[in-house]
Amino acid sequence: GAVVSQHPSWVICKSGTSVKIECRSLDFQATTMFWYRQFPKQSLMLMATSNEGSKATYEQGVEKDKFLINHASLTLSTLTVTSAHPEDSSFYICSAVGRRGVNEQFFGPGTRLTVL
Amino acid sequence: DQQVKQNSPSLSVQEGRISILNCDYTNSMFDYFLWYKKYPAEGPTFLISISSIKDKNEDGRFTVFLNKSAKHLSLHIVPSQPGDSAVYFCAASGGGGADGLTFGKGTHLIIQP
Repeated sequence: GAVVSQHPSWVICKSGTSVKIECRSLDFQATTMFWYRQFPKQSLMLMATSNEGSKATYEQGVEKDKFLINHASLTLSTLTVTSAHPEDSSFYICSAVGRRGVNEQFFGPGTRLTVL
Repeated sequence: DQQVKQNSPSLSVQEGRISILNCDYTNSMFDYFLWYKKYPAEGPTFLISISSIKDKNEDGRFTVFLNKSAKHLSLHIVPSQPGDSAVYFCAASGGGGADGLTFGKGTHLIIQP
């Protein structure tokens, strides 16, 4: 199956700093990537849709100025958590959809963010 | 407002028996449904999906049933194996699977030897 990677797999940062998370599709070109967040014992919640070459679409309640998304190429999307606070601590997961309209999203392994 | 509901937080099944995981949804615009398997600190792994134009899809030990009138779907795993122990998420989409997914809260399946 298709492979999606994320980097880093975990990160600890101080409150007020910014953290960048990368999502890469390794063996296919992803026209669309999605970013999800999962709090402990909760479901995955869609944060935003990232389309290559255009601005991301954010879900209601997600601050676009806080969670900056860049989808600069067909294999890379980045999520930057700006001025992180402890309440931003979560598990961030990306997924990718291939060019040919594959109906299944392939998920990355996730990034555990802990803000002190 | 939970649009995709998995009302059983956990399910325990004996090895070799059938595991049945249930999922209900409220949004009539959903037209594509997926099941994912997930281990802690890992991303979800796709298992099986079904379009709203079908009522059944089978792939090996996994079968998904869709009852549109009841807005209900279920995942059957038979026979259940120890490696099936994980959290299973039901997800739905309104764009044929290529839109962002709405997930249920998951059911922790435990296969007992």
